[in-house]
Amino acid sequence: AQKITQTQPGMFVQEKEAVTLDCTYDTSDPSYGLFWYKQPSSGEMIFLIYQGSYDQQNATEGRYSLNFQKARKSANLVISASQLGDSAMYFCAMREPGFQKLVFGTGTRLLVSP
Amino acid sequence: DAGITQSPRYKITETGRQVTLMCHQTWSHSYMFWYRQDLGHGLRLIYYSAAADITDKGEVPDGYVVSRSKTENFPLTLESATRSQTSVYFCASTRGADYNEQFFGPGTRLTVL
Repeated sequence: AQKITQTQPGMFVQEKEAVTLDCTYDTSDPSYGLFWYKQPSSGEMIFLIYQGSYDQQNATEGRYSLNFQKARKSANLVISASQLGDSAMYFCAMREPGFQKLVFGTGTRLLVSP
Repeated sequence: DAGITQSPRYKITETGRQVTLMCHQTWSHSYMFWYRQDLGHGLRLIYYSAAADITDKGEVPDGYVVSRSKTENFPLTLESATRSQTSVYFCASTRGADYNEQFFGPGTRLTVL
C-alpha cells in the first residue's frame, strides 16, 4: 500500500527566510506522482507543485521548489523568501500509477512570523 | 468560470438521518473524487469516479453511497449519518490521465449530532 509521511506537525519560520517541509513516501511502483497542496485558514485546497517519478529535474513554481530525492523516497517542499501569507497547512500527496486518486500525508502547519 | 462547487457549505444533522452532499463541476472533467478531512488523518478518499456511471470505493467508503449519472455532478449520500462522519468533505476533479492537477471544491463542513 502506498503511504505518505509528514513528520513535522508544525514549523515556524521568520518572514523572508527559507523553510523546508519534509515528506517521505513509500511505494513499490516505479511510476508515481508527488504533489504539494496548501490549505490556508479559509479551508480551500490550493495546488502548489507536482513532481513525476521520471522527471529528471526538481520541479519549481515561483517561490516553491520540490527537493526530489528518489533513492531516499523523499519529496520535500522548499519555500524561499517566506511571506506572512504562507502561513497555512501544507499537505504532501502521492498519486497511484494508472489512477488519479491521491493519498495524502497528515500535513504540516507552517507559521510565518514578522 | 464557476469551476467546482459544493453545497451545502455547512450542514448540521442528527444521527440516523440521510444527508446528501452535492458536487458540481463545469469543466467536464472525467474524474471526480470525494475526500474527508479529519484532524490527524489528512485527507482520505471515500469514493471516486472515472466517468459517468463508473464509480469505485476509496479508502473509507463504509456508510457512504455515490452516484454519477451526469459527468458534471457527483453527489455523496450518507445513508444513516453517524457521529463519526462529522468531518469536512472535499470534492475534487481532474481531467484524467496525463493531467497532474486535482481541483478541489471549497468543502462542506458536516456536523452529526
